[in-house]
Formats: sequence, C-alpha cells, structure tokens
Amino acid sequence: QQQVRQSPQSLTVWEGETAILNCSYEDSTFNYFPWYQQFPGEGPALLISIRSVSDKKEDGRFTIFFNKREKKLSLHITDSQPGDSATYFCAASPGTQVVGQLTFGRGTRLQVYA
Amino acid sequence: DPKIIQKPKYLVAVTGSEKILICEQYLGHNAMYWYRQSAKKPLEFMFSYSYQKLMDNQTASSRFQPQSSKKNHLDLQITALKPDDSATYFCASSQDAENTGQLYFGEGSKLTVL
Repeated sequence: QQQVRQSPQSLTVWEGETAILNCSYEDSTFNYFPWYQQFPGEGPALLISIRSVSDKKEDGRFTIFFNKREKKLSLHITDSQPGDSATYFCAASPGTQVVGQLTFGRGTRLQVYA
Repeated sequence: DPKIIQKPKYLVAVTGSEKILICEQYLGHNAMYWYRQSAKKPLEFMFSYSYQKLMDNQTASSRFQPQSSKKNHLDLQITALKPDDSATYFCASSQDAENTGQLYFGEGSKLTVL
C-alpha cells in the first residue's frame, strides 16, 4: 500500500504559469512533509518543508498548502521558469522517527516550456 | 563541490556477484543513510546510522550490509546480486538523527545487474 501518493505523474506548464503538484498520505502519525527537487543525474535536494502544525509555508515562488483533516498537501510554483523543470517528490515522516527516515511518493515530473 | 561523494557513479554487475558502494560525506554530519530508487518503486529508505551505529534497517534481505569505517563513511556491500537489485542507490546525511535539520543526498550510484 502506497503511503504517500502524488499527482499528476507529469505536468507541463508554460513559463510564467503556476504549477500545482498534489500529494496525499495515509498515515495519521505523519507530521513532517518535505518536498524534494531532483534533476536528471543528481540526487534529490530539499526544496521546502512544512510541519503539520501549519497550514501554509511560503519560500519565494514555492508555497505548500496543507490540509490535515483531508491528509492532503500541494506545492504551488508560481511564475514557473524553465529551470524549474525537474521531478518533485513529496515525502513524509512521523515525529517519532529519525529525520532521515522519510516515506517518498513516486514524484511528479514537471516540464516548463519557454 | 559535492559534499556527499558516492563512488562509483555507474556500475554493471553479473548475477551472483558482489559489489560495494562507497559514500563519504564532508558536511560534518553525525547521521547517514542509504536510500534506493528504482523504476518500479519510489525512493525507499534502507538504513540509518548515527555516530556509526545502526539505527534502523528497513531492508529485508541480509544481502545488503552497510559498513561504517569512519564517522563520515557509510559504504553499502551487496552480495549475491540479483537483477531486481538494479537501481540507483543514494547515500544521504543529516546533522543528527533527531528530528532536526534537513536530509542531504549524494548524486547516487546506478547499479545494473545483468
């Protein structure tokens, strides 16, 4: 059973548009949700994260919206740039486990066209 | 410059053989991890080490053995290789194993088992 689900599997937007990437989870004990960005041939890199006590986290053009009741979150990338083209992973962990033990979704591949 | 060095970047092995994946981190971190990424599954947690001691093992098979000779080293020995072991193996680290900070990933070692 997949604990963290992401949709869509792939997404194409034009430069300047807002990309919306969705994530949902099953485990109610999850309370830390990082998003990772991965370019081809590289390892994932932390982009932005949120804890379940918050419903929104913003960092520049990247914003996480979190709905604890529905166990859903989304990553909004405003003013998308071609350099944002990458695969984005939603991950989760419960507070009782070590920070490095993350459960990842399958990722959303984002393509931004100029 | 990469702060987490993984060697080799690519390797090909035959079924039944043994390989060692090397990982060194120069971030001064106390916790290190191994993750696996394959075409069939999302990025999966395998092992976590803190101060060179095993914290958690989510790998069912004893064919996978982490080895920590130094605080900033965490190698992964894989024996009796199978085609299903084909994946990209990522080493990661964090400042500590407690619930602080972020997870940093290396660039991965892509293993193909024929």
